[in-house]
Amino acid sequence: GESVGLHLPTLSVQEGDNSIINCAYSNSASDYFIWYKQESGKGPQFIIDIRSNMDKRQGQRVTVLLNKTVKHLSLQIAATQPGDSAVYFCAEIDTGRRALTFGSGTRLQVQP
Amino acid sequence: GAGVSQTPSNKVTEKGKYVELRCDPISGHTALYWYRQSLGQGPEFLIYFQGTGAADDSGLPNDRFFAVRPEGSVSTLKIQRTERGDSAVYLCASSPTPLTDTQYFGPGTRLTVL
Repeated sequence: GESVGLHLPTLSVQEGDNSIINCAYSNSASDYFIWYKQESGKGPQFIIDIRSNMDKRQGQRVTVLLNKTVKHLSLQIAATQPGDSAVYFCAEIDTGRRALTFGSGTRLQVQP
Repeated sequence: GAGVSQTPSNKVTEKGKYVELRCDPISGHTALYWYRQSLGQGPEFLIYFQGTGAADDSGLPNDRFFAVRPEGSVSTLKIQRTERGDSAVYLCASSPTPLTDTQYFGPGTRLTVL
């Protein structure tokens, strides 16, 4: 299948460590943010979302932090597993539109 | 299946030809989106349907690109006079209602224009 993220920044972690993936966004009108995981040859898979009236949201092994002051979003993955290896994209939605605007992506490599 | 499906999974065509890419959204989802993803980049928005109508087509790059959703379910993305620069993965996504922001993606169609 197609290899996603050939030219993307890469984060390498050891299995069991925590991972932090960062994303900067530029549109101050964005009010909803999503993290997607994309494996090679597949479409983006929803991981977790957060609205602009929140600054933190937790899921199973994942936490998203939103800092609206500096327009920064982060995804924290606890106890990273080999199956977490993929490209991760943040995406945002502007209040007035329905289209997602994606960030540039980060490749996460988990070493067993 | 329960997810968004897209056909074909791969399409190879020659420059100047016409292609159609199909998307079957999740059953009951009223909103449908098309995106294009080039190698090493995030998906870029093309067009959004709410029901049968195109609510936002601002992402279509030019008039060679067109999409329809005649019955409010299946959608077809049509590309005329294909160019090598059209080569990309074309992704479809759907969401339950226009007020639901989470979009669920299909596996994509990889288009290669020779």
